[in-house]
Amino acid sequence: DAGVIQSPRHEVTEMGQEVTLRCKPISGHNSLFWYRQTMMRGLELLIYFNNNVPIDDSGMPEDRFSAKMPNASFSTLKIQPSEPRDSAVYFCASSHGGVSYEQYFGPGTRLTVT
Amino acid sequence: SQQGEEDPQALSIQEGENATMNCSYKTSINNLQWYRQNSGRGLVHLILIRSNEREKHSGRLRVTLDTSKKSSSLLITASRAADTASYFCATDSNRDDKIIFGKGTRLHILP
Repeated sequence: DAGVIQSPRHEVTEMGQEVTLRCKPISGHNSLFWYRQTMMRGLELLIYFNNNVPIDDSGMPEDRFSAKMPNASFSTLKIQPSEPRDSAVYFCASSHGGVSYEQYFGPGTRLTVT
Repeated sequence: SQQGEEDPQALSIQEGENATMNCSYKTSINNLQWYRQNSGRGLVHLILIRSNEREKHSGRLRVTLDTSKKSSSLLITASRAADTASYFCATDSNRDDKIIFGKGTRLHILP
């Protein structure tokens, strides 16, 4: 299995631009997680889906962030408009069943907003 | 505030020595997991221990869980250079469907 796939691996954008991060979970996994990692705040859970349905989005910072999972093999995290404080590494992870199971992480997308 | 807090924040030891990292948490949990993160990479799952378990082993890893003290420890025996990484604990609460990661312990194995 190819593991969790994220794209792009690096993104540099200007403040105010829209950013879309993409994730393909491991086939057969029914839970998908989006995390943000910074030095100051550590690893934060933004949102997670179970069977393509958002279960907990309490970690989404504000309305500028949105996430979708149109099918079992694809998810997007969108930031519109982006701000410099959104600069971070964004990870996607998947698991067989919710927060109580081992998660498999993707390589991350390093986002820089100038 | 973070549910899981690792201690120490950073640890440097000689290759071959044992490394011990601790994690404390605040609320009752279902499970506690340990993950490793090499620089610039995603996290890798190491071990999961359930709230009704006290100790678990996996290769050179030994995890203990003390629910009365709300703490866990990760012991890496006979450390190797490849063990240099950050180690995170993650807890999922039995009150809500959330998982929270600590800020991690940076482990550096000296040759």
